[in-house]
Amino acid sequence: DARVTQTPRHKVTEMGQEVTMRCQPILGHNTVFWYRQTMMQGLELLAYFRNRAPLDDSGMPKDRFSAEMPDATLATLKIQPSEPRDSAVYFCASGLGAGSYTEAFFGQGTRLTVV
Amino acid sequence: SQQGEEDPQALSIQEGENATMNCSYKTSINNLQWYRQNSGRGLVHLILIRSNEREKHSGRLRVTLDTSKKSSSLLITASRAADTASYFCATPNQAGTALIFGKGTTLSVSS
Repeated sequence: DARVTQTPRHKVTEMGQEVTMRCQPILGHNTVFWYRQTMMQGLELLAYFRNRAPLDDSGMPKDRFSAEMPDATLATLKIQPSEPRDSAVYFCASGLGAGSYTEAFFGQGTRLTVV
Repeated sequence: SQQGEEDPQALSIQEGENATMNCSYKTSINNLQWYRQNSGRGLVHLILIRSNEREKHSGRLRVTLDTSKKSSSLLITASRAADTASYFCATPNQAGTALIFGKGTTLSVSS
């Protein structure tokens, strides 16, 4: 049963702490996306990778967010330091393809609460 | 913004009725996708329609695309309680390398 796995599913942390979210894309997929979902903004594209290379991270606040793909089976999104406004559900999605025709397969998300 | 906009924001219907959701976008696209999100879950791909297609069917789903009006619609026929979810349209970003999602239509189907 191929699926995108995200850990942790829920995270509550105090303001100023570092948060790391992990994603295991579907085996064989070459594209990984990170999205953030809030009631106010909806789904925002934060960053994405193709063949492990970062293509675009212009959607991320650069001073505190970083995204990496250390190998083909792991993508990470890190926030340091975290702030209450970062509270949201963070989704990882993977796909196979080279353009916008790529069907995105989403993980279950990490619900982050920063207090 | 390139983001598609769904309309209405919320829709409540009875089981057996049809549900229609619309998506409008601003720039030329080569394809448009629809996704569903059940409460507390990730998004699930429903259907992709290319710019040279006017209509596409998948089971009880019918999607239309009007590139001259820059709009798409998703029709769910004979709705069921299990169709209760949020529905999103997704369009390519400017580079054509990723998907940008609208804010979604929340559909509630009561039995």
